[in-house]
Amino acid sequence: AQSVAQPEDQVNVAEGNPLTVKCTYSVSGNPYLFWYVQYPNRGLQFLLKYITGDNLVKGSYGFEAEFNKSQTSFHLKKPSALVSDSALYFCAVRDIGYGNNRLAFGKGNQVVVIP
Amino acid sequence: NAGVTQTPKFQVLKTGQSMTLQCAQDMNHEYMSWYRQDPGMGLRLIHYSVGAGITDQGEVPNGYNVSRSTTEDFPLRLLSAAPSQTSVYFCASTPGTGVHEQYFGPGTRLTVT
Repeated sequence: AQSVAQPEDQVNVAEGNPLTVKCTYSVSGNPYLFWYVQYPNRGLQFLLKYITGDNLVKGSYGFEAEFNKSQTSFHLKKPSALVSDSALYFCAVRDIGYGNNRLAFGKGNQVVVIP
Repeated sequence: NAGVTQTPKFQVLKTGQSMTLQCAQDMNHEYMSWYRQDPGMGLRLIHYSVGAGITDQGEVPNGYNVSRSTTEDFPLRLLSAAPSQTSVYFCASTPGTGVHEQYFGPGTRLTVT
């Protein structure tokens, strides 16, 4: 089985401050990990993914995520948040034994960036 | 490329009615999936396909049918709509080999009264 937990419902952050969105995962084997963003009334957009190698992954729009195997975490970060980063963020995982279409998604985190 | 397209954008059904949500992709992806999104529950997999003629059930398949006669199209059929199927439905596609993200359509917002 594979699953993702995003413990916070909403993350509030002031514009210009660092942004962190937390994610922990559970898989039987090794994980492939993904972050997506959803703006209002839109589909999900891919931000970044971890496959193997460097634990720090850089993605679109200045976002990065750090893979921590011992803590089974994949937290999303941005050094300086923008008002336009306000959106719903989803973490997703798939076990190395599953295909590309067998992702397990977390429930999502609403990020609100306050001007 | 149009990517993944979905029609309609909005739909209201009465309980017991049937309908088909359309999904098409022009990226020649082998894999396609249907998800539903409900508040506080994230995305849940309904059905998926690994190629033309091959489909399988996901996490919440009851009340839905799919077929995949071509690589491009993956329609989702609601057999007899129920209020519990009120949701936002997303179709996604992805290549079958390697490790790739899924590409999502814009979604269909369905209300069943």
